[in-house]
Amino acid sequence: QKEVEQNSGPLSVPEGAIASLNCTYSDRGSQSFFWYRQYSGKSPELIMSIYSNGDKEDGRFTAQLNKASQYVSLLIRDSQPSDSATYLCAVGRMDSYNKLIFGAGTRLAVHP
Amino acid sequence: SQTIHQWPATLVQPVGSPLSLECTVEGTSNPNLYWYRQAAGRGLQLLFYSVGIGQISSEVPQNLSASRPQDRQFILSSKKLLLSDSGFYLCAWSWGVPTGELFFGEGSRLTVL
Repeated sequence: QKEVEQNSGPLSVPEGAIASLNCTYSDRGSQSFFWYRQYSGKSPELIMSIYSNGDKEDGRFTAQLNKASQYVSLLIRDSQPSDSATYLCAVGRMDSYNKLIFGAGTRLAVHP
Repeated sequence: SQTIHQWPATLVQPVGSPLSLECTVEGTSNPNLYWYRQAAGRGLQLLFYSVGIGQISSEVPQNLSASRPQDRQFILSSKKLLLSDSGFYLCAWSWGVPTGELFFGEGSRLTVL
């Protein structure tokens, strides 16, 4: 059973702080890694993708991948109340079917 | 640019009634299409995926079925709904390789009473 594990939270951080979200996965053949943001009652929105070990930065977001440890993380710098949402980690194999496995998500609450 | 739409957005159905959710993608051709379900407070569960017209693969045995009558149209159906079918249903599309990114529609919230 291929699994993606996330701490359910809630993770509470003050406005302006760095939020750190973590994810582990079981399938060593995984080649693609994604972070989605889901506001309450809405559909998931893709915010970051990463495919190789190391860091990838996009604005206030940094994704980190360590395939040896089967670990993916998302850092959100200068957290804003509008970042309050559930963050879903998704993992897949780069094949023609592209079936992503999702974690249950971590709920982030940014308080003023 | 590519867009994906699904409807209806919300529906309340009695146990034993039929179901039809529809999804269409615009701005691309031959996409991979997916149906996911999200139960309250839980992760996304892949139900069906399709890599082409008439090609449907099921991930979880259940009383749901899917069809792809046209390249950019994906339909989720049931002949008789169960209470356990309640949830948030999400249609998604992907090009598959080389990026593997998945893009979701707005979702359909189903409550079975």
